[in-house]
Amino acid sequence: DGGITQSPKYLFRKEGQNVTLSCEQNLNHDAMYWYRQDPGQGLRLIYYSQIVNDFQKGDIAEGYSVSREKKESFPLTVTSAQKNPTAFYLCASSIGRGQTQYFGPGTRLLVL
Amino acid sequence: KQEVTQIPAALSVPEGENLVLNCSFTDSAIYNLQWFRQDPGKGLTSLLLIQSSQREQTSGRLNASLDKSSGRSTLYIAASQPGDSATYLCAVGLARETSGSRLTFGEGTQLTVNP
Repeated sequence: DGGITQSPKYLFRKEGQNVTLSCEQNLNHDAMYWYRQDPGQGLRLIYYSQIVNDFQKGDIAEGYSVSREKKESFPLTVTSAQKNPTAFYLCASSIGRGQTQYFGPGTRLLVL
Repeated sequence: KQEVTQIPAALSVPEGENLVLNCSFTDSAIYNLQWFRQDPGKGLTSLLLIQSSQREQTSGRLNASLDKSSGRSTLYIAASQPGDSATYLCAVGLARETSGSRLTFGEGTQLTVNP
């Protein structure tokens, strides 16, 4: 069954803590993306990767970091520098440029 | 910087009605435009993808049109059903090579179809 999986579904972060959100795809897609969605708003791009071992900052990269060591995996770390991390985080992938993006089910991050 | 606007923000219609959702964008140098559906608390489901060289795409009861010169796209839903209730998001891909496949999203239109 092909698709994109994100874990965990819910994540709680304490002050000053770094947390990592998982995104895995078995679609053999080259490109992967991380978006943040706040209530009543559209999605904003955090980071994207067009190929393994390469990634670029999106519109709101401050306070976040990523890695792309494997084609199927694109984890996102929310660092303590991100002062307002509460949001719904969505991971997506596509075969390549200009192709349909497929989304995972999302991770909701809450601050304790 | 590309800006994407969706009007209306919310729409409520009776079952069976045909409806149109609107999307406008400020930079006409686009690579493609995608329409997505999002159910509450869920990820996005791709509905239609229109390449910049195309004028429209159809899938079942859905028809999306693209007018690059005026910076507009519409999503037409025929014979609406309660199961169509969701938030519909429009997203634009920029034509610049350095942008890769990144998309700029509108804020969405929340559609409610009443039985």
